[in-house]
Amino acid sequence: ETGVTQTPRHLVMGMTNKKSLKCEQHLGHNAMYWYKQSAKKPLELMFVYSLEERVENNSVPSRFSPECPNSSHLFLHLHTLQPEDSALYLCASSQVEGGHEQFFGPGTRLTVL
Amino acid sequence: AQKVTQAQTEISVVEKEDVTLDCVYETRDTTYYLFWYKQPPSGELVFLIRRNSFDEQNEISGRYSWNFQKSTSSFNFTITASQVVDSAVYFCALSEERGSTLGRLYFGRGTQLTVWP
Repeated sequence: ETGVTQTPRHLVMGMTNKKSLKCEQHLGHNAMYWYKQSAKKPLELMFVYSLEERVENNSVPSRFSPECPNSSHLFLHLHTLQPEDSALYLCASSQVEGGHEQFFGPGTRLTVL
Repeated sequence: AQKVTQAQTEISVVEKEDVTLDCVYETRDTTYYLFWYKQPPSGELVFLIRRNSFDEQNEISGRYSWNFQKSTSSFNFTITASQVVDSAVYFCALSEERGSTLGRLYFGRGTQLTVWP
């Protein structure tokens, strides 16, 4: 069974749409992360959740709204996005204690028209 | 300042050549962890290795080997006898024991490796 799953794998949306990305981890981890990967740019950490509490928000615009209902699930709610938000959105999980590797999902390829 | 530097943006080699991907890191913590990830065209980052700052022993896993040198703050990755399937973007990352939030990883910008048949 894949450790970290993400749905959908591909998403095309207009700027006025509302959509959500879903991430689920089956590894028993207690921390989850959202990353954004744009073409020709480094990986950008967006949000960190530990034990279902958001503990890091790296100046992400409010049109991105994360939700972590439990330690296994993480959502990213999207609304009123811009074309520059088109990117690969990666979810990861790990044990919250330092030094543990993060395991990544396959990503959602988002295109905003 | 960037905590992880991968100076090589792109590398191209021909199959069966050896290739080394460089990684230089910066931290003030005495306890830290270093990682390498592989990102094939499919997009998923695949974990390859984790080293802690107290273990400078080099590691070999099949055709992969890692050279950790604290004196030069480097954690280089060598692929021996490269294959077309090794073509991917490779990321080096750092996690600090005290300087980071909750096991946060600082990633380098990645090195695109292309192996030609």
